[in-house]
Amino acid sequence: AQKVTQAQTEISVVEKEDVTLDCVYETRDTTYYLFWYKQPPSGELVFLIRRNSFDEQNEISGRYSWNFQKSTSSFNFTITASQVVDSAVYFCALSEAGGSTLGRLYFGRGTQLTVWP
Amino acid sequence: NAGVTQTPKFQVLKTGQSMTLQCAQDMNHNSMYWYRQDPGMGLRLIYYSASEGTTDKGEVPNGYNVSRLNKREFSLRLESAAPSQTSVYFCASRLGGTGNTIYFGEGSWLTVV
Repeated sequence: AQKVTQAQTEISVVEKEDVTLDCVYETRDTTYYLFWYKQPPSGELVFLIRRNSFDEQNEISGRYSWNFQKSTSSFNFTITASQVVDSAVYFCALSEAGGSTLGRLYFGRGTQLTVWP
Repeated sequence: NAGVTQTPKFQVLKTGQSMTLQCAQDMNHNSMYWYRQDPGMGLRLIYYSASEGTTDKGEVPNGYNVSRLNKREFSLRLESAAPSQTSVYFCASRLGGTGNTIYFGEGSWLTVV
């Protein structure tokens, strides 16, 4: 079973629309960390945000915001007033604190976001 | 401000050839990782090294070997390349501790024909 599920394979929006990328995770650990990475067409992986399992406060950074809900095991990412430069593949990832997989990141399969002008 | 540096960036191999992907980080990180990325599969862990002198298998280790040469360097070796190993390879590092951010290199595009 996948530990991180990004059900949306591809999303297309028109510039200035808001868009939400979904991420659902699965873990038995009480301490864990969630991440979002952006992969633009140039291919590099850019770190966006990290949250720990004890901090459910939503976070806003400019046009980006993240909604972490432990009750539904979700860590969704919203881009407000999208721009063409937001076009990229976005990955959600999970890191667990314990067990034999200590320290590794489990990635979702990514969501390809295309923003049209 | 190099961060994580991978070489080569692009490589074409013939089936059966061997090669080594090099990775170095200058952030004094303890842990280093090799991931591969395939279309629709996200990133999958090949091997990781939690600290200098240790290496462990990840999700897809078959066909690969690794060496943690020192704290800075973590290489990935394909002993006998196969077309199934055509992929984009990412090296990554983190300071240590599960909660710290993992930083990635720019990727190495490998094609096995």
